This record gives sequence, C-alpha cells and structure tokens, in this order.
Amino acid sequence: NAGVMQNPRHLVRRRGQEARLRCSPVKGHSHVYWYRQLPEEGLKFMVYLQKENIIDESGMPKERFSAEFPKEGPSILRIQQVVRGDSAAYFCASSPSQGANTEAFFGQGTRLTVV
Amino acid sequence: AQSVTQLDSQVPVFEEAPVELRCNYSSSVSVYLFWYVQYPNQGLQLLLKYLSGSTLVKGINGFEAEFNKSQTSFHLRKPSVHISDTAEYFCAVGRAQGGSEKLVFGKGTKLTVNP
Repeated sequence: NAGVMQNPRHLVRRRGQEARLRCSPVKGHSHVYWYRQLPEEGLKFMVYLQKENIIDESGMPKERFSAEFPKEGPSILRIQQVVRGDSAAYFCASSPSQGANTEAFFGQGTRLTVV
Repeated sequence: AQSVTQLDSQVPVFEEAPVELRCNYSSSVSVYLFWYVQYPNQGLQLLLKYLSGSTLVKGINGFEAEFNKSQTSFHLRKPSVHISDTAEYFCAVGRAQGGSEKLVFGKGTKLTVNP
C-alpha cells in the first residue's frame, strides 16, 4: 500500500546539467501535481497532469522545464541546463480524481541542489 | 486568483500549552481550505480540510480549525501541544468551482514545542 514515491530523494547537479525527477503516484491515481518549495517559502504549483495529458501548466517556467505523465511509468519533471536558482525541494502529489476537494497525497520530495 | 497569508512565520510554545496558528485567505470565489503539516525532510500530510457545512473542522492529532467567512480566516488550534507537534504547518486554499485543481499555499508557520 505504497504512497506517492519520489526519486531520487536528493539530487546534486552542476550548472548546465539536466535534472530528471520521478514520481510514481498512489496506485490507481491518475492525477499528478508538481509543486516547488523554495527555501523559506510555501509550495508553489507548477503543473497538473492526467495520464498522457498536461491539464494546467500555468506555474511552469516558460523555458527549460517540462513534465510528462506517460500511459505507463512514472511522471517525470525535467529541468534542462539547471541554474543555481533551480535549487529547491520538488514535491509531487497524486489524487484519484479531479477537484480541489479531493485529497492530494504528497510524496517526500526531491531536494535538488545545483552547484 | 487566490492568496494565503500565514501571519506568523515562527511560533514557539511550551509543551502542554495551547496554540493557534493563524491563516487568512483572499479569494473572489468560493474556496476549500486545508491545513497540512510537514515534518523535517518529509512530504506534506493533510491535517484537516473545510469543504462545506460546519465551520468547525476537526482533524488528526487533536487539531481543529474554524472557518470564518466574514474574516476570511481559517485558524488552526490545538488545546495542548506535544513535543512531537514540532513541524512546519501550511495553510492552503483551492477553488470550490471552476475546475482548477491546484492549491495555493501560504509560506508556512514553524511550530516549535519546547519542554
């Protein structure tokens, strides 16, 4: 009965490298959300996906960031050419259906450090 | 658009004392309200939520919150805290209608319970 699984838990990248963050939702959940938490800040919404579709990406930076949730496999948040400002904790959440009244279950996060 | 203000960034209290963590929100539409707790290096766990009905909501670990529409507040309370309640607490709001599933979070309140 696993919850939301994120890996890796910690990721160190040099400036200019790519970062790939993976999220396996709760079994049976088809809705995935990515949030970013900067130091001393709350979580900021990035993107909302359903299987094979991006529903809302209003919080995604326009460049270097992309997300996918394929039919099979985990959701991936990809950051190309990372910069120091990308250092943050990235959280994934999943829910069984849509609607803000549906509880979203959060993973433990991936802490990205760009050196 | 919605916004959330958590008025206290840090709240130190002694064990067995009562505590109130304040949260105010702003929204032009009806909202759902949530409190999440984050223990060090962990993901977020839902404490309680207000969707509709009774304005006093009881959650896990002895916490409760009261929705006050006229004051646009959703303060979190516990009558007697334990050392294990030391964590960061986030208030969040989601649209009740309109299909936007994302949550808007406050910046968090760090609760430290001292012996």
